[in-house]
Amino acid sequence: DTGVSQDPRHKITKRGQNVTFRCDPISEHNRLYWYRQTLGQGPEFLTYFQNEAQLEKSRLLSDRFSAERPKGSFSTLEIQRTEQGDSAMYLCASSTVGRQFFGPGTRLTVL
Amino acid sequence: KNEVEQSPQNLTAQEGEFITINCSYSVGISALHWLQQHPGGGIVSLFMLSSGKKKHGRLIATINIQEKHSSLHITASHPRDSAVYICAVNLSSFDDMRFGAGTRLTVKP
Repeated sequence: DTGVSQDPRHKITKRGQNVTFRCDPISEHNRLYWYRQTLGQGPEFLTYFQNEAQLEKSRLLSDRFSAERPKGSFSTLEIQRTEQGDSAMYLCASSTVGRQFFGPGTRLTVL
Repeated sequence: KNEVEQSPQNLTAQEGEFITINCSYSVGISALHWLQQHPGGGIVSLFMLSSGKKKHGRLIATINIQEKHSSLHITASHPRDSAVYICAVNLSSFDDMRFGAGTRLTVKP
């Protein structure tokens, strides 16, 4: 257990539905990252927060994806109108400077 | 071309063997990470390097900044070392990480 938690751990949804994932970072970490990992590939960067400010956003993050970190603590990642191509493991990580601590991930399956 | 390349993609070893996994990158970085991912998805950070060499138990990580290359070595490998090992870099320009595709290591008893 790294101290970073994610909820839910698994989500199965039908195409077209909206889903929301939550990440609770290590409490003293001001940086929070979202990544997506598909089978057999390394993770891909999606977005990054420093405190409540979203500082970077990958071009992979289409307008169906939105992330928030309203009070600089937990974060949510919402996917609207899910597509089968969104099926992946969604990973959250947190850090102060440098070394990142990863959560267990949320595995999304879009039917 | 991926900014972070790892080799080999798959590696099978016998218990006790010395293992080397290589990582090359093509961008300016502020740090390089070696991560371990077990089946089920959990990722553990093994090392963060910006220069030289680090050792933790049977694991050794080295980095050559000039050559943009890093290696992860496992001495006296054990079946519990079986996992995917991922190389990742912090870009110099901003703080996100770019990941290699991973090396799947299987250590047979």
